[in-house]
Amino acid sequence: GEDVEQSLFLSVREGDSSVINCTYTDSSSTYLYWYKQEPGAGLQLLTYIFSNMDMKQDQRLTVLLNKKDKHLSLRIADTQTGDSAIYFCAESRSTGNNRKLIWGLGTSLAVNP
Amino acid sequence: GAGVSQSPSNKVTEKGKDVELRCDPISGHTALYWYRQSLGQGLEFLIYFQGNSAPDKSGLPSDRFSAERTGGSVSTLTIQRTQQEDSAVYLCASSSAGNQPQHFGDGTRLSIL
Repeated sequence: GEDVEQSLFLSVREGDSSVINCTYTDSSSTYLYWYKQEPGAGLQLLTYIFSNMDMKQDQRLTVLLNKKDKHLSLRIADTQTGDSAIYFCAESRSTGNNRKLIWGLGTSLAVNP
Repeated sequence: GAGVSQSPSNKVTEKGKDVELRCDPISGHTALYWYRQSLGQGLEFLIYFQGNSAPDKSGLPSDRFSAERTGGSVSTLTIQRTQQEDSAVYLCASSSAGNQPQHFGDGTRLSIL
């Protein structure tokens, strides 16, 4: 996962917006993903964006993709304490005849009341 | 069930023993992945099965680790002669194809005494 980079920590106040950033390396990546992991649980798919899109919105979540800079961001509006978790970015990368996901190390989001 | 199922959810064993971890993927998913997540760390890719192709074993950390996928469905990850550094959460995921979203189980928490 060393080629997908994320900041490790983010702290916000409840009600504010959170923006989690990610940079990736493979310009041929077809899909880019955001996953959420709560303590003691597996990873939950939050949202994903196809590489021919610039933006995707899903309720409180907005994903922005800048292909030129290979930069992906996840914005969470009106952040709640229940949003406290680790957020992983992943890119779909070609490996020979297959594609697999390359993962960032995760951003730990702390929401303060 | 409808999701990825892993068993056992927790396993405590003595150093030097062998362990087997099981993963039941979502029915019909051709791709299956094993990851390891150490405390506070990101995802470490272990092995990837795609249909009838030879598995991608490039992430297995040593020859003590092996995995099988029988009949294109259930997978077993085996760790022989366990060491304390093997203590981690082992996560399994499946997807309908190599570049499609991965769906995760809740993991097996392995503790080596």
